[in-house]
Amino acid sequence: DGGITQSPKYLFRKEGQNVTLSCEQNLNHDAMYWYRQDPGQGLRLIYYSQIVNDFQKGDIAEGYSVSREKKESFPLTVTSAQKNPTAFYLCASRETGGGETQYFGPGTRLLVL
Amino acid sequence: ILNVEQSPQSLHVQEGDSTNFTCSFPSSNFYALHWYRWETAKSPEALFVMTLNGDEKKKGRISATLNTKEGYSYLYIKGSQPEDSATYLCAGSYGGATNKLIFGTGTLLAVQP
Repeated sequence: DGGITQSPKYLFRKEGQNVTLSCEQNLNHDAMYWYRQDPGQGLRLIYYSQIVNDFQKGDIAEGYSVSREKKESFPLTVTSAQKNPTAFYLCASRETGGGETQYFGPGTRLLVL
Repeated sequence: ILNVEQSPQSLHVQEGDSTNFTCSFPSSNFYALHWYRWETAKSPEALFVMTLNGDEKKKGRISATLNTKEGYSYLYIKGSQPEDSATYLCAGSYGGATNKLIFGTGTLLAVQP
């Protein structure tokens, strides 16, 4: 089955700890995106990547880091510098040059202990 | 700061009712308007992408219109069914090739059988 997978579904972080959220896609899409959802707010863009080995900051990149070493994978690290990490994180991908639609994964909920 | 707004915030209807939601977006430098349906515990599902003023799109009982000059889009659901219960998100694209989406906060639809 083609699609986007995110793991884990739930993740707990201790104060001062870095955690990494996984996003994998087998759609052969070039572009990938990370969004964050908070109650009462729309999805906000954290980072995006249009091609392997390249990525750009979105609107709320502070406290986060990403890598794009493989086309299929775009992991997001929530660092200890992110002071309010509790949120729902969604990953998406898009086929550049093949349309505007972004396809989303099921999300990871991050909770701080 | 670009701001996409959706109304109403939530809506409760009876099975068989027709309903509609509104998405307002900045028309300056607009590229595309996206509608997604997001059911609980699932990934957001793309419904429509519209780019041209006057665009109308239809998928079964769901249809959408676009007015880029005044900056609004309507989503219509004819004869609502319980399985239509979900959060409906709209997002404006202003990034051109980068496809950066600005999301509204969504309209939560609950259809009572």
